[in-house]
Amino acid sequence: ETGVTQTPRHLVMGMTNKKSLKCEQHLGHNAMYWYKQSAKKPLELMFVYSLEERVENNSVPSRFSPECPNSSHLFLHLHTLQPEDSALYLCASSLTSGGYYEQYFGPGTRLTVT
Amino acid sequence: LAKTTQPISMDSYEGQEVNITCSHNNIATNDYITWYQQFPSQGPRFIIQGYKTKVTNEVASLFIPADRKSSTLSLPRVSLSDTAVYYCLVGEFSGYALNFGKGTSLLVTP
Repeated sequence: ETGVTQTPRHLVMGMTNKKSLKCEQHLGHNAMYWYKQSAKKPLELMFVYSLEERVENNSVPSRFSPECPNSSHLFLHLHTLQPEDSALYLCASSLTSGGYYEQYFGPGTRLTVT
Repeated sequence: LAKTTQPISMDSYEGQEVNITCSHNNIATNDYITWYQQFPSQGPRFIIQGYKTKVTNEVASLFIPADRKSSTLSLPRVSLSDTAVYYCLVGEFSGYALNFGKGTSLLVTP
């Protein structure tokens, strides 16, 4: 238990569906992250939020839309996804943004796009 | 972000010491070196971090030579449960986030 929770743990959706992934951290951190991990590929940083402001968008397609309503919650809204978007989506948080600070990861959401 | 190079895979027997070396030739003055561990279908977990010389915690040791162009993660007396992917990351104090590479897949067998 890392103090970062993600729901749902598994999600199957069609290409025309709209769904959302939720992340919650109970650590009092100010930075939150979304990562994507496809099979046999390294983790790809998608978005970084610091104090609820998006500070990095790593060239992610617009069919992925992040939302950070407060420093404890992070959402990833999904719409009209492609099969190649099937992956493990990981949320992480850290005390503040920066390479020095330890990131705490959630268990991930396994997404399958059919 | 500094680029890192580490072996794709390593094998070890239980009880042995495992050393995983990471090269980061263009490391910057403000960069820290951090290692994470990841089990299948789980998020990575922080192992250890250092800036220079040697750092040790209850899990591992991190050796960083004076030129800081490489680092070595040392896992003493590994067990089967240490089978995982190990990532070496280099990130600056004020940067936004870390760049996870392909990591080193460690397989520990009896």
